[in-house]
Amino acid sequence: GQNIDQPTEMTATEGAIVQINCTYQTSGFNGLFWYQQHAGEAPTFLSYNVLDGLEEKGRFSSFLSRSKGYSYLLLKELQMKDSASYLCAVRDPGQNFVFGPGTRLSVLP
Amino acid sequence: DADVTQTPRNRITKTGKRIMLECSQTKGHDRMYWYRQDPGLGLRLIYYSFDVKDINKGEISDGYSVSRQAQAKFSLSLESAIPNQTALYFCATGMGNEQFFGPGTRLTVL
Repeated sequence: GQNIDQPTEMTATEGAIVQINCTYQTSGFNGLFWYQQHAGEAPTFLSYNVLDGLEEKGRFSSFLSRSKGYSYLLLKELQMKDSASYLCAVRDPGQNFVFGPGTRLSVLP
Repeated sequence: DADVTQTPRNRITKTGKRIMLECSQTKGHDRMYWYRQDPGLGLRLIYYSFDVKDINKGEISDGYSVSRQAQAKFSLSLESAIPNQTALYFCATGMGNEQFFGPGTRLTVL
């Protein structure tokens, strides 16, 4: 089976940098994904890592260490619109996704 | 037009009723998924399908059934709804490394 852990809530200030951590224990691994979900809306894809290291995409970066079962999502130059839940998900070799509980990020002025 | 649509968007029903949630996509993706989302539990997979003849159970399939009527349509049924099936339900399609989610159906079972 799969077990995925994330902090429940985080708070940060506009313009700052925030790091959202995700740890996972899996019986199979075929990629780690981050999604953003605004309240009442559908999740939208942010990033994907399958090899160790950092993937950068504008203000968002995602890091993966497969040996440690660890990933983080880094958000730079925070904006008010970044207030949302961030979902970490692991894909197994069968192409299925297991999601963590999500981290609710509040960006304060 | 939205690529993944769900109907209805909101539904209130009573215990014991049969309910069908529908999902349609115009993306041409073979993979389709049904998830439910509950506060503090994240998204949990109910059923998934990789093509019209392929149906697979997910983590929490008990009490649910699905039908893949065509590549573009994937329906979720609750044969006899119960209150703990009150949740937000999402359909998604999959292609490559991405999933694309529909807008969700908020279901309340009284």
